Order: sequence, then C-alpha cells, then structure tokens
Amino acid sequence: QSVLTQPPSASGTPGQRVTISCSGSSSNIGSNYVYWYQQLPGTAPKVFMYRNNQRPSGVPDRFSGSKSGTSASLAISGLRSEDEADYYCATWDDSLSAVVFGGGTKLTVL
Amino acid sequence: QLQLQESGPGLVKPSETLSLTCTVSGGSISTSSYYWDWIRQPPGKGLEWIGSIYYSGSTHYNPSLKSRVTISVDTSKNQFSLKLNSVTAADTAVYYCAREKHLERSWFDPWGQGTLVTVSS
Repeated sequence: QSVLTQPPSASGTPGQRVTISCSGSSSNIGSNYVYWYQQLPGTAPKVFMYRNNQRPSGVPDRFSGSKSGTSASLAISGLRSEDEADYYCATWDDSLSAVVFGGGTKLTVL
Repeated sequence: QLQLQESGPGLVKPSETLSLTCTVSGGSISTSSYYWDWIRQPPGKGLEWIGSIYYSGSTHYNPSLKSRVTISVDTSKNQFSLKLNSVTAADTAVYYCAREKHLERSWFDPWGQGTLVTVSS
C-alpha cells in the first residue's frame, strides 16, 4: 500500500487530454514539492516534472503539473502514442523522513 | 555527463545478504549538492525507495526496510553500495541507483539502468 495514491490506469485517444492524480497528506504533498517520473517499458524511470510544475528540457509542453493542498496532478494534452508509459509521483514525507512514491499509473493510448 | 552503473550478483539465496555496488562516472560522488540513492521495483510492480547516503556518510532509510539495510560510500572509488540482509522472495526486484538533489528530496536524476536480483534457492 503506497503512501501516495494514484489511479492504477488511465487512457485516452490520440489528441485527447488526460489527467493523472496523486493524493497524499499534509506531511508529504502538503509540505513538499512533487516530482513525476515517466517509465517506458524495460527502461529506468526518468524525471518528467519537478517542483510541482517545472518541465525538464526535452519534455514537451503538452505535459503540465499542478499541486493544490495535499493533491497533485499531471496533465497531458494532445495525447500521442509515444506518451504510453507508466507514470509515478514522488515526494518527501516529513513524518516518515523518507521518500515516498505513488503506486504508479499505466497510461494507455487507445 | 554523469552516469551510474549497478553491479552485483543476479541471484541470491533466501536468508543470505544481497550486495550491490553503484559506480559513478563523469562526476565526483564527493559533492555536497547530492544524495546517492537506491530504489527498487519488483517485477510488474511500482517503485520503492530503499535509502540514501550523503558523501559524508550520513544515511536515511525506508522505515519498512531499515532493520535490514546498510548503505555505504567509498569516495576513493567513486562508488556507493547497498547491503540487504535476510532476503526473501519478496526482495526479488530490479534495483536502481540514482542521484538525488540534496535540497530537493525525491528529485532523482540520473538513474542507473537497473539490475535484476532474484532471490531463490
């Protein structure tokens, strides 16, 4: 059972907008930055969003991040087949003094 | 460009100790700007943070694994290591090493390619 809660799956057709949520608590998301990782099959995860809503170079501006209270979300607009991957949220938990990950969301492009 | 590479046995017997090393190239491990971390992923499952070490040797561990984990650093070899004792089949996973920003916990970049460790007799 993950400390951060994500839906196990999400899907959309090419061109659609999809949102992946990440729910936590005051000791983690509520008081720290949220990071998002994309993991393509058979590869190591790669940071896709940092400090809640900042995109690393190379990440398309179709991707956006947001945070409100104890929840965060990753939005993907203009969905493309290459966006199909697993997405994980992560943050620091002040109570646990540990990094915590969400359980991951498998994004399928129909 | 900084690169990380995991190495160690791919098969460990139950109740024994899993030992992995991460070699850092293209940059020094002796920097105050980063932690050095281990993260694992059981087959078909999500990511689990194992722990981190600072170049000074100070560590943070996942509370659920703390009693079995030791992370150490060898600055002379630019390496850091993981030891997980009393392993069971539940410890079968791909183990990744990664660099984490010191003042921005949970920002991991880059990652190693990962190494699969299977616990089986």
